[in-house]
Amino acid sequence: EVQLLESGGGLVQPGGSLRLSCTASGFTFSKFAMSWVRQAPGKGLEWVSAVSGNSGSTYYADSVKGRFTVSRDNSKNTLSLQMDSLRADDSAVYYCAKSIVVVLAGGDSFDIWGQGTTVTVSS
Amino acid sequence: DIQMTQSPSSLSASVGDRVTITCRASQSIRNYLNWYQQKAGTAPKLLILQSGVPSRFSGSGSGTDFTLTIRSLQPEDFATYYCQQTYSIPYTFGQGTKLEIK
Repeated sequence: EVQLLESGGGLVQPGGSLRLSCTASGFTFSKFAMSWVRQAPGKGLEWVSAVSGNSGSTYYADSVKGRFTVSRDNSKNTLSLQMDSLRADDSAVYYCAKSIVVVLAGGDSFDIWGQGTTVTVSS
Repeated sequence: DIQMTQSPSSLSASVGDRVTITCRASQSIRNYLNWYQQKAGTAPKLLILQSGVPSRFSGSGSGTDFTLTIRSLQPEDFATYYCQQTYSIPYTFGQGTKLEIK
């Protein structure tokens, strides 16, 4: 079964750090780009970051650039998001999502999503 | 960044109705537009061109204007729908359309 499972969410103080992980199964992980998408409480979806299949390219939304770092370990089928200098407006459910392409490109779509992990930034 | 605007933001309809949701891009995105369905408390689901998606869902459009049509609404279709452009990075989503039961 094709599956994504996130972990690592929790409560963190403003200015703190958190590392999210996403473990993939059921498909050849290295052949697809992977993204993080977040959803603040009661709000819509926001694409946050992505990494190409071979880690050669990384991408970030302006809202997290310089604070978040995306990475992947294809030997372990794992996607990670290191989140530093966290702010209250980073509070959200974070989803990992699988692309249908190896490098972000026109015509991409997210065909598999994890169940999400909740990040709360509060003092 | 490309802005995606959906209309309406919310919609009330009855089982059996035909509904249309519109998504407009701030610039041409060719046909690089996806639709997702999200039910409360669950992850989004890719809606179009996926196996297992009922044929009552259809999408159309190109350039800047797109529509999602659901023929003969079923109880399980009441959810929030998002469009997403993948023409350029950052990928951006519309604000969502909440489809509620009348």
